[in-house]
Amino acid sequence: GDSVTQMEGPVTLSEEAFLTINCTYTATGYPSLFWYVQYPGEGLQLLLKATKADDKGSNKGFEATYRKETTSFHLEKGSVQVSDSAVYFCALSNFGNEKLTFGTGTRLTIIP
Amino acid sequence: NAGVTQTPKFRVLKTGQSMTLLCAQDMNHEYMYWYRQDPGMGLRLIHYSVGEGTTAKGEVPDGYNVSRLKKQNFLLGLESAAPSQTSVYFCASSYLQYNSPLHFGNGTRLTVT
Repeated sequence: GDSVTQMEGPVTLSEEAFLTINCTYTATGYPSLFWYVQYPGEGLQLLLKATKADDKGSNKGFEATYRKETTSFHLEKGSVQVSDSAVYFCALSNFGNEKLTFGTGTRLTIIP
Repeated sequence: NAGVTQTPKFRVLKTGQSMTLLCAQDMNHEYMYWYRQDPGMGLRLIHYSVGEGTTAKGEVPDGYNVSRLKKQNFLLGLESAAPSQTSVYFCASSYLQYNSPLHFGNGTRLTVT
């Protein structure tokens, strides 16, 4: 079945550092890929998505490129801020599967 | 624009008590989901619904029941609460099944003592 593996946390970075959170997937066919973010005390919200190979999703300075050859969808940001501290979830949606498949989440803490 | 609203936000139950969590969405979405979130385990799907009057089991359905009598509401029931059901519960909805992002509520923190 479908699965998502993402980098274990927690991850702690200094403000303005470069961020990468790794995400790889296993799925048949052509899934869509998502990154969700969960701020403290809130539900998850969509950060970005990509629906086909080589697509790049971007939002709020975050980017992720759908790499079918490496089955990856790594999340990157060039210069993180304290306000980026949150838990990040990678997820995939596959045709014929009635539910979204989530990774286990990566907690990110940015220190000033 | 309310989106997905969950009530209550917090609840403490004693073992064996029952309760119902309510989820309401105002986006006319067909698909609705109940997840639980536990430390180190990410999100696990409890039950879901693909439309009014339908329900289906997810990964961890035991000890829970659901109903979707109206399109906008999705109820999660615990008939006899157990300490293992201490968790944060999230409701979500989506317009389509495939390639459609989920919209989440802010969660219900449930403690069973």
